[in-house]
Amino acid sequence: GQSLEQPSEVTAVEGAIVQINCTYQTSGFYGLSWYQQHDGGAPTFLSYNALDGLEETGRFSSFLSRSDSYGYLLLQELQMKDSASYFCAGGGKLIFGQGTELSVKP
Amino acid sequence: GAVVSQHPSWVICKSGTSVKIECRSLDFQATTMFWYRQFPKQSLMLMATSNEGSKATYEQGVEKDKFLINHASLTLSTLTVTSAHPEDSSFYICSAAGSGNSDTQYFGPGTRLTVL
Repeated sequence: GQSLEQPSEVTAVEGAIVQINCTYQTSGFYGLSWYQQHDGGAPTFLSYNALDGLEETGRFSSFLSRSDSYGYLLLQELQMKDSASYFCAGGGKLIFGQGTELSVKP
Repeated sequence: GAVVSQHPSWVICKSGTSVKIECRSLDFQATTMFWYRQFPKQSLMLMATSNEGSKATYEQGVEKDKFLINHASLTLSTLTVTSAHPEDSSFYICSAAGSGNSDTQYFGPGTRLTVL
């Protein structure tokens, strides 16, 4: 079957760096996407890795290793507004991981 | 980025009624649209994939006669929850992909359905 595994929750303080890991087992894999979802809202696209390596977009970076079926989302200089759920997603039909709830504390 | 709208944003209905949710891509042509359902504190579950002009492909366990999907044009897909029951209460989210693979999708704001 298809599955994406990620930690259920992570807590960090403002200004810190946090890494959210995602391991996957999917068919028809094209790449790994990351989405952010605030409470009550819809997912917002953050990044997409089609190739191995690191993609950087401002404070957020995402990494993919196809050989390891693994990726991560790196959030730097954490802010309170970064508190949200983060989902990795991938597969021939976009399948979502269970989500990681990030809590940023003062 | 591309903009996807959903209407209504929330709806409350009585058990047994049908509810239609619209999903529109506002500034691009969406060859494929996806419908997801999300229960509180859970992930998004793909319900079905719809391609313009053809029948939707439903995921295992999703009743196609209960969740009617129509993708009439390249900018509009509708999901009708027929004979809704309280267990259908959920957050319904559509997304649209322009072309190629589904890995980059643009999500609508979601529709919160409450069935009394």
